[in-house]
Amino acid sequence: EDQVTQSPEALRLQEGESSSLNCSYTVSGLRGLFWYRQDPGKGPEFLFTLYSAGEEKEKERLKATLTKKESFLHITAPKPEDSATYLCAVQPGNTGKLIFGQGTTLQVKP
Amino acid sequence: DGGITQSPKYLFRKEGQNVTLSCEQNLNHDAMYWYRQDPGQGLRLIYYSQIVNDFQKGDIAEGYSVSREKKESFPLTVTSAQKNPTAFYLCASSITGLTEAFFGQGTRLTVV
Repeated sequence: EDQVTQSPEALRLQEGESSSLNCSYTVSGLRGLFWYRQDPGKGPEFLFTLYSAGEEKEKERLKATLTKKESFLHITAPKPEDSATYLCAVQPGNTGKLIFGQGTTLQVKP
Repeated sequence: DGGITQSPKYLFRKEGQNVTLSCEQNLNHDAMYWYRQDPGQGLRLIYYSQIVNDFQKGDIAEGYSVSREKKESFPLTVTSAQKNPTAFYLCASSITGLTEAFFGQGTRLTVV
């Protein structure tokens, strides 16, 4: 069964304290892995797509990496405005479906 | 501005009534999706459509119905058969169904 597990569920950081969020997946024929940011009461905002193991993408303080079993979202020197829930999703084969993890809620304190 | 518009933002309905949530996109995307989000849970797929006049059930389709008569529109009807309809509903679209999806701002449905 296709499955996505994110850890930790919640993460509190001090401003400037770097850390990583984990997304572990089991999927039949990974087509792509996606990271989103979601603010309370809003729709998810697309961040990155990763297609193959070893691939990396960067945007400002965020860097996403991919292996055959998991993906990491590294946050370098976070700021309070990085506080949000980060969602990981995988697309199996050619189904057109996206399967989401539960999300990691990040709080960055000044 | 190109984007995905969901309306209304908040919706209240009495138990036993059907209700239709609107989703419109002007991105010229082929694929559209409906997800449900409950507190403490990830997004769960209700229905998706990869082309006009065709759609497939997702993981939690029971009690919901959709139509895809136009490329830009994918309305979701929450029927009285849905046992626990109160939730945050999200519509999304993607270019082909095999690329990243972009989301609307959601509709919060409360059934009383």
